[in-house]
Amino acid sequence: NAGVMQNPRHLVRRRGQEARLRCSPMKGHSHVYWYRQLPEEGLKFMVYLQKENIIDESGMPKERFSAEFPKEGPSILRIQQVVRGDSAAYFCASSQGTGNGEQYFGPGTRLTVT
Amino acid sequence: GIQVEQSPPDLILQEGANSTLRCNFSDSVNNLQWFHQNPWGQLINLFYIPSGTKQNGRLSATTVATERYSLLYISSSQTTDSGVYFCAVEASGGSNYKLTFGKGTLLTVNP
Repeated sequence: NAGVMQNPRHLVRRRGQEARLRCSPMKGHSHVYWYRQLPEEGLKFMVYLQKENIIDESGMPKERFSAEFPKEGPSILRIQQVVRGDSAAYFCASSQGTGNGEQYFGPGTRLTVT
Repeated sequence: GIQVEQSPPDLILQEGANSTLRCNFSDSVNNLQWFHQNPWGQLINLFYIPSGTKQNGRLSATTVATERYSLLYISSSQTTDSGVYFCAVEASGGSNYKLTFGKGTLLTVNP
């Protein structure tokens, strides 16, 4: 039973470029969460999605960041016009449900902005 | 929002020693998870333990929800146990799905 898949594992972008991070949840899971790990801030919630719906994006920066979880295919976290401060590890997690649902994490995508 | 505090922040052990890591949280929770972030950065699920006690090999965990704390026990530590241990909670009520993480305990096990 495959776990949560993320790709790419490492991504290097120059300032001003776009970054696209992909996440495929565990089989049977329909709830996806994105978290970001910054060196000085620890792991922080960004967004929670179900198929075709953004449920809570309260942790997302207001500009340049967006997320989607289409009916078919992986969830995508998109960062436009990246800046050096976006350099971080981005983790995706999935669960079967919410409220008493264990979250399983993918290996993360390490974004480096040069 | 809910606050999560972990102690100690750093811990250095000799191989074979035992240790206890603590997680305090400020409000009632639906979910509490312990993770190990290995030196390659991967987050490994250790326990899903909103209450009670669980054991998995050399690791065990206890959560006393009424007193708002959880403990992670590591026995006969090995060098491969090194890394950061995170406690994360899902608060009850309201937006009860997002995990709030503590700052972690950095464990170093020396041979």
